[in-house]
Amino acid sequence: AQSVTQLGSHVSVSEGALVLLRCNYSSSVPPYLFWYVQYPNQGLQLLLKYTSAATLVKGINGFEAEFKKSETSFHLTKPSAHMSDAAEYFCAVSEDGETSGSRLTFGEGTQLTVNP
Amino acid sequence: KAGVTQTPRYLIKTRGQQVTLSCSPISGHRSVSWYQQTPGQGLQFLFEYFSETQRNKGNFPGRFSGRQFSNSRSEMNVSTLELGDSALYLCASSLKSSYNEQFFGPGTRLTVL
Repeated sequence: AQSVTQLGSHVSVSEGALVLLRCNYSSSVPPYLFWYVQYPNQGLQLLLKYTSAATLVKGINGFEAEFKKSETSFHLTKPSAHMSDAAEYFCAVSEDGETSGSRLTFGEGTQLTVNP
Repeated sequence: KAGVTQTPRYLIKTRGQQVTLSCSPISGHRSVSWYQQTPGQGLQFLFEYFSETQRNKGNFPGRFSGRQFSNSRSEMNVSTLELGDSALYLCASSLKSSYNEQFFGPGTRLTVL
């Protein structure tokens, strides 16, 4: 069974500081990994996805994530936080598409606060 | 292209009632998935439909059901509502099943009194 753990339900950074949101996964097969962002009263927006093509994945809004198989991690980073980055972030995993289809298993979410 | 649309956006029901939520996927998308989001349980997968067939189902009671029409629009139904069914219900569509990027709608906020 697949699972995702996000370390830290709340992360607070200063504007301009590095953003680091942690995600560890458990999967019995090579996973597909995703980071989504959710702003208040909105649905989820895809930031980036790992599909085994490259271990360092660049996404929208300056975010990137690195897939590390040895550490079963897929941490999300952004060099310089902006006030508009304040939102909730979800890491998700999808396994073998032939059996699980498009089913996503989500982590608990990390609420990012950006202080001026 | 228009995004995923969900109707209604907000809904208030009382215990014991039933409710139907609607989702219109992005044009051309054939897979529709439903998720429940609550503060306590987070985001949980309900079910996925592809070409009018349920491909996958999450761990929810039989009170939760869904269907997909030939135009890929999908509905989910919850019967005999319980207080714990209060949640944000999110619909996501993708081109096809398996590995495809899912695009989420804004959700339907259901409150059960």
